[in-house]
Amino acid sequence: GAGVSQSPRYKVAKRGQDVALRCDPISGHVSLFWYQQALGQGPEFLTYFQNEAQLDKSGLPSDRFFAERPEGSVSTLKIQRTQQEDSAVYLCASTLRPGYGGYTFGSGTRLTVV
Amino acid sequence: RKEVEQDPGPFNVPEGATVAFNCTYSNSASQSFFWYRQDCRKEPKLLMSVYSSGNEDGRFTAQLNRASQYISLLIRDSKLSDSATYLCVVISNDYKLSFGAGTTVTVRA
Repeated sequence: GAGVSQSPRYKVAKRGQDVALRCDPISGHVSLFWYQQALGQGPEFLTYFQNEAQLDKSGLPSDRFFAERPEGSVSTLKIQRTQQEDSAVYLCASTLRPGYGGYTFGSGTRLTVV
Repeated sequence: RKEVEQDPGPFNVPEGATVAFNCTYSNSASQSFFWYRQDCRKEPKLLMSVYSSGNEDGRFTAQLNRASQYISLLIRDSKLSDSATYLCVVISNDYKLSFGAGTTVTVRA
């Protein structure tokens, strides 16, 4: 597609519920990133994929967070047993050339855990 | 200590004014620098890259001081449409963008 597509746009989850957030990157972009943005803060790195390989997951806050990109295109970020502190906007970005400025972000998924 | 620190503002300026703000970064090995713009409830979008020699893009001027590890952004002749949060971004390895918390600018009529 023309841009990075994320779904759902909004998600309300009850505490303890599992959620799955989807990211469809720009076609041909081999590098894909997930970021978490809390209110009033800048985005914080969660994880990085090069094609289907997850090369860096150092930003995942706990083992309740899991990301995959099985065919090197669409990616899913899964959060198990959601907690209130997981409430944030989850942003996905893709780029053809990591390390340079051409990172395109999706509109994000706003997750609210109640 | 966060890798990228920014003055959060807010900077509240009249139309036509000049506004400038900085950010600092902690990793001296950082190799790429950017300013992103984020409108309320929207995703970050690249405003401009920042080069060692300094660079301009219309009314926007970015500067990089590697010795002091700070980056600046100056906006001349502010427009109402410049109201946004400006995110300072650094790449310290080969791929990961590290963001500051953002500087809020509000331009009033």
